[in-house]
This record gives sequence, structure tokens and C-alpha cells, in this order.
Amino acid sequence: GENVEQHPSTLSVQEGDSAVIKCTYSDSASNYFPWYKQELGKRPQLIIDIRSNVGEKKDQRIAVTLNKTAKHFSLHITETQPEDSAVYFCAASMSGSARQLTFGSGTQLTVLP
Amino acid sequence: GAVVSQHPSWVICKSGTSVKIECRSLDFQATTMFWYRQFPKQSLMLMATSNEGSKATYEQGVEKDKFLINHASLTLSTLTVTSAHPEDSSFYICSAAAGNTEAFFGQGTRLTVV
Repeated sequence: GENVEQHPSTLSVQEGDSAVIKCTYSDSASNYFPWYKQELGKRPQLIIDIRSNVGEKKDQRIAVTLNKTAKHFSLHITETQPEDSAVYFCAASMSGSARQLTFGSGTQLTVLP
Repeated sequence: GAVVSQHPSWVICKSGTSVKIECRSLDFQATTMFWYRQFPKQSLMLMATSNEGSKATYEQGVEKDKFLINHASLTLSTLTVTSAHPEDSSFYICSAAAGNTEAFFGQGTRLTVV
């Protein structure tokens, strides 16, 4: 089955700096890669996603890049703010959507004011 | 739209008892529901996939006789943790999808077995 690895497990940045989280996946059949933000005890919230026919996607301060050949994708957050502090999960699916997701291990992002 | 609701949000039960968690799609018909489990400070792990009117498909390592899933209607799936033990304490989250479209997460249920 699919295996998703995520790094780093913890990340601290100064407010205003950029944060980058990286994930690799094992199954070349995966075609949908979402990123979720999860606050303690709450449901994961989709912040951005990318499909395998696209190399990069941006939404305001958040961007995701995908390298299908290398089987890795990354989350980039620019101009970080304290409210960006949370656990971020990458995930992969072969269904083309958020069905039967395989999640990465998570990254605890702390934005220091 | 696309609201998925879980009940209860949290539950505490005694070891050896059974607990039922409900997952409802409030504004769409969910032909497929997914159940995930998340241990503290860990990732979400898919437990099983259920299609309305069919038996659930369980992921490797998940005991189907311990985690009973029922998806008898297009708006409701239930997960029953039978003979719960402290090691079953976890955050259980469902997601629901209509047809082959996007799946949406419920708010999760925190289960504590004492």
C-alpha cells in the first residue's frame, strides 16, 4: 500500500518568516495530495490540495509543489503568523479526491511572535 | 453545504463495555463513509471504508469483530467499539462522500476507556 513520509516533525519559525514542510509518497498511482491543518482535538481542515496533473498551486500565503518523478510534494507558507501554529498533515490518495487518504506523520508548526 | 456531524464529541466508558459513535451527513447522501483513528500526537490512520448497504472493508490490522461498522442508510454510519479497553482510547474521525466526489470530515469523537 501507499506510504507517506513527512518531515520535519516539528518546526519553529519567527513570525513573518517562511515555513516549508516536505512529504514523499511511495505509490506512483497516487494522484491527489491534500494538506490539512489540525488544531488540538478538532477535525483536520483542508488548506490546499494538488492533483497529479499540476506541478504547483498557490492560494494567498500558501503554496504546494509536486514533483511526480521524485514522488514528493511540499507545503510552503509565507509571511507566517502566530495563528498558523498547528499540526499540519500531508496526505495522498489514488482516488483523485479526499477518499481513502494515507496521511503523513504530521508537523507541529510553531510561529513565534 | 457538505456538513458531516459526529456524535458524541467525547465519551468516557468503562473497560469491557461497548460504545457507539455516529457519523451523519446532514446535507447530502453519503454513499461512502471512511473511519479513521488518531492516537495522541500521531497521524490519522484509515480503519475501514463502508458503502451504504454493503459490508465494510477493513484495513489490514483492524479487527472487524471489535470495530463494528454499520452503514444502513445514506446519511448515517455507525462505529461500535466492542469490549473497549484502555488501549482503544483514541480520537475517531469519520469522513463522508457522495458517489465519487470529495469526502468531508466529521468533527471527531474523543473516546476514553477507563
